[in-house]
Amino acid sequence: GDSVTQMEGPVTLSEEAFLTINCTYTATGYPSLFWYVQYPGEGLQLLLKATKADDKGSNKGFEATYRKETTSFHLEKGSVQVSDSAVYFCAPRGGATNKLIFGTGTLLAVQP
Amino acid sequence: DTGVSQDPRHKITKRGQNVTFRCDPISEHNRLYWYRQTLGQGPEFLTYFQNEAQLEKSRLLSDRFSAERPKGSFSTLEIQRTEQGDSAMYLCASSLNGRDTQYFGPGTRLTVL
Repeated sequence: GDSVTQMEGPVTLSEEAFLTINCTYTATGYPSLFWYVQYPGEGLQLLLKATKADDKGSNKGFEATYRKETTSFHLEKGSVQVSDSAVYFCAPRGGATNKLIFGTGTLLAVQP
Repeated sequence: DTGVSQDPRHKITKRGQNVTFRCDPISEHNRLYWYRQTLGQGPEFLTYFQNEAQLEKSRLLSDRFSAERPKGSFSTLEIQRTEQGDSAMYLCASSLNGRDTQYFGPGTRLTVL
């Protein structure tokens, strides 16, 4: 079945450091790909998405490119802030149900 | 605020009791999804509705679980004879249609003692 593998956390960075969180997936067809973020004590929020190969999703300085050949959707940010501390989830969406398949999440802790 | 809302936000119950959660999707969203998230894990799909029709149920949804969306608007998720293993965050999401982005509610945290 469809699945996603995410970089294990926690990831601890200093403010202004470069961030990469790896995500690879297995899915039938060409699913849309999403990154959701969960801030402490809050619900899941959409961070960015890409719906076809080579698309780049971006939001709040975060970027991810849909790489069909490597079935990957790695999340990057050039300069993280303390306020980016959260759990990040990679999730392909596809199949007849269009349900989201979530990874285990990656906890990011940014220190001042 | 016109986002997805869920009620209650927290529920503590004793093993064997029945509980019911409610989800109000974004207005005019046809799709409604239920997910469950246990501590340290990502959300897992439980079931979804297209308008009032329940179209798929995960194997995670045992016979003790039932979900409804009677008029294609709000949805309820009932768990009968709760077990400690049911303790989790229950998340609801809605989307305009199948291909649209899913927007999540704040979740209902269930603790079964």
